[in-house]
Amino acid sequence: EIVLTQSPATLSLSPGERATLSCRASQSVSSYLAWYQQKPGQAPRLLIYDASNRATGIPARFSGSGSGTDFTLTISSLEPEDFAVYYCQQRSDWPRCSFGQGTKLEIK
Amino acid sequence: QVQLVESGGGVVQPGRSLRLSCAASGFTFSSYAIHWVRQAPGKGLEWVALVSYDGTNEYYTDSVKGRFTISRDNSKNTLYLQMNSLRAEDTAVYYCARDLDHSGSQRFDYWGQGTLVTVSS
Repeated sequence: EIVLTQSPATLSLSPGERATLSCRASQSVSSYLAWYQQKPGQAPRLLIYDASNRATGIPARFSGSGSGTDFTLTISSLEPEDFAVYYCQQRSDWPRCSFGQGTKLEIK
Repeated sequence: QVQLVESGGGVVQPGRSLRLSCAASGFTFSSYAIHWVRQAPGKGLEWVALVSYDGTNEYYTDSVKGRFTISRDNSKNTLYLQMNSLRAEDTAVYYCARDLDHSGSQRFDYWGQGTLVTVSS
């Protein structure tokens, strides 16, 4: 089973600042990694797939990078609506997939 | 626009059964694989099951194999999850989620709003 570890657990930043979220896999997942955003009481939303591809309608301030075991989601300049929980997800051991435990991005 | 609407959740006793439904609209349902993903209260996300676009292939996470059955009716644009022998640890919000492609790439591009299943005596 591939385990994804996200850090930090909580990130406190202000609007306009740059956010960097990390996801580390217990073994290589190649580029088969996605990022999702979830706000309270809402379903998750796909942001990035295959490590660096933005999903339809996702603003350019969101970007993903990495391959193998280390991945990063960057939000270049935080907007008020970006404060949420972010999950990474791997699909390397298809048909199984797994999610990280989440990073909560909160307003400082 | 793409819409997925789950229904069928509720409170059920351990060992009993429940069937969830997911009604799809706004896209060609029969062209996409669909998944169930669950989230226990206050916890993270867990993939549960996948059915291919034509219903011929099904896959499950180990903890639900033999207890849950995913199926679809493309004539009704509806996905189902039959859940038998329910356990307390199955308590969660259950989401249906569309895959980016027809076979099931495990990339979830649209999600429903979820339906809560509570297993408790």
